[in-house]
Amino acid sequence: DIQMTQSPSSVSASVRDRVTITCRASQGISSWLAWYQQKPGKAPKLLIYAASSLQSGVPSRFSGSGSGTDFTLTISSLQPEDFATYYCQQANSFSWTFGQGTKVEIK
Amino acid sequence: QVQLVESGGGVVQPGRSLRLSCAASGFIFSSYAMHWVRQAPGKGLEWVAVISNDGSNKYYADSVKGRFTISRDYSKNTLYLQMNSLRAEDTAVYFCAREDTYGYAAATWGQGALVTVSS
Repeated sequence: DIQMTQSPSSVSASVRDRVTITCRASQGISSWLAWYQQKPGKAPKLLIYAASSLQSGVPSRFSGSGSGTDFTLTISSLQPEDFATYYCQQANSFSWTFGQGTKVEIK
Repeated sequence: QVQLVESGGGVVQPGRSLRLSCAASGFIFSSYAMHWVRQAPGKGLEWVAVISNDGSNKYYADSVKGRFTISRDYSKNTLYLQMNSLRAEDTAVYFCAREDTYGYAAATWGQGALVTVSS
């Protein structure tokens, strides 16, 4: 099974900060990597698919990069509504695997 | 509009069974693979199971293999998760999700159904 390791597990940041979250796969997954945002009591929201493609309706301050085993989600200028938990998810195999999550908190 | 609505959650005793449903609308149900994902209280997302668009392929997480069964009814546009031999560690919010063909991720999720396994 493919394992996904996310870091950091939490980050404290201020509005307008640049935030970077990384995700590492235990084996190569090409570009089959997605990023989600989840707020308490809500379903996950897709931000990025295929490692770097921005989902329709998602603000351009979100971007993704990487391929193979190493991936990055960047929020270029953190906004108040971005405080949430973020998950990576591999989609290389028929079954999915999620990273353990990164909580973005207000500094 | 595209929508997924789960139902069937509740409180159940350890060892008993429960079936979750996920009613799909606003899209061609038979064109998409469908997943179940769960989230234990205060924990991260855990993938549970997937069924292919035509129902011919099903895969399960090791934690539920042999106890849970995923299925779909095309006449009712509904996805199911039959959960048997439930354990306390199965307590979670269960989400159904539609796998998009353009990246194999999920832009469409249900609202979640809470399953509590407790005596």
